[in-house]
Amino acid sequence: ETGVTQSPTHLIKTRGQQVTLRCSSQSGHNTVSWYQQALGQGPQFIFQYYREEENGRGNFPPRFSGLQFPNYSSELNVNALELDDSALYLCASSFRSGGGNTQYFGPGTRLTVL
Amino acid sequence: LAKTTQPISMDSYEGQEVNITCSHNNIATNDYITWYQQFPSQGPRFIIQGYKTKVTNEVASLFIPADRKSSTLSLPRVSLSDTAVYYCLVGRDNYGQNFVFGPGTRLSVLP
Repeated sequence: ETGVTQSPTHLIKTRGQQVTLRCSSQSGHNTVSWYQQALGQGPQFIFQYYREEENGRGNFPPRFSGLQFPNYSSELNVNALELDDSALYLCASSFRSGGGNTQYFGPGTRLTVL
Repeated sequence: LAKTTQPISMDSYEGQEVNITCSHNNIATNDYITWYQQFPSQGPRFIIQGYKTKVTNEVASLFIPADRKSSTLSLPRVSLSDTAVYYCLVGRDNYGQNFVFGPGTRLSVLP
């Protein structure tokens, strides 16, 4: 157990809808990163939040957005869902100290877009 | 961000030692090397992290040569439950720089 939790576990949406995924960081961590993992592939970095500000973004369109709250929990929002958005969405928390900053992953949210 | 290359798949038998080597020729001076294990439909689980020489914990060892252009994850006496995908990552989580996951190594442990 990493102490990182995500909700919901599974979600089914239709194309064009919007979705919000939630993540609670491990206690003491100040950084949250979100990843998308398609079936059979490695996780792809979406963005990272540090002290409530976006601090790095991967190659994802603006319809992927996020928030980090004062308690360091985080949300991932995806607008105008597309079929290709179907994936496992992973949240990872870490404590930024300038070193290796090991990321600890949650169990993920499985999103299916029909 | 340093790119990594790993074997796509490996097979082993229960009780054997498994070594998975990762190449990272353009690793930067401040980069760390981190290995994760992932089971289907679960989040990656941290195994071990190192910067240079050898690191050992209760589940694995990580060998890093002096030039740091490669690293080897060593799993002693694997069991069926070690069947998973193993990812080698190189980088340093700082100012938005983030780790890049490759396709990983799919390890199959046979009885």
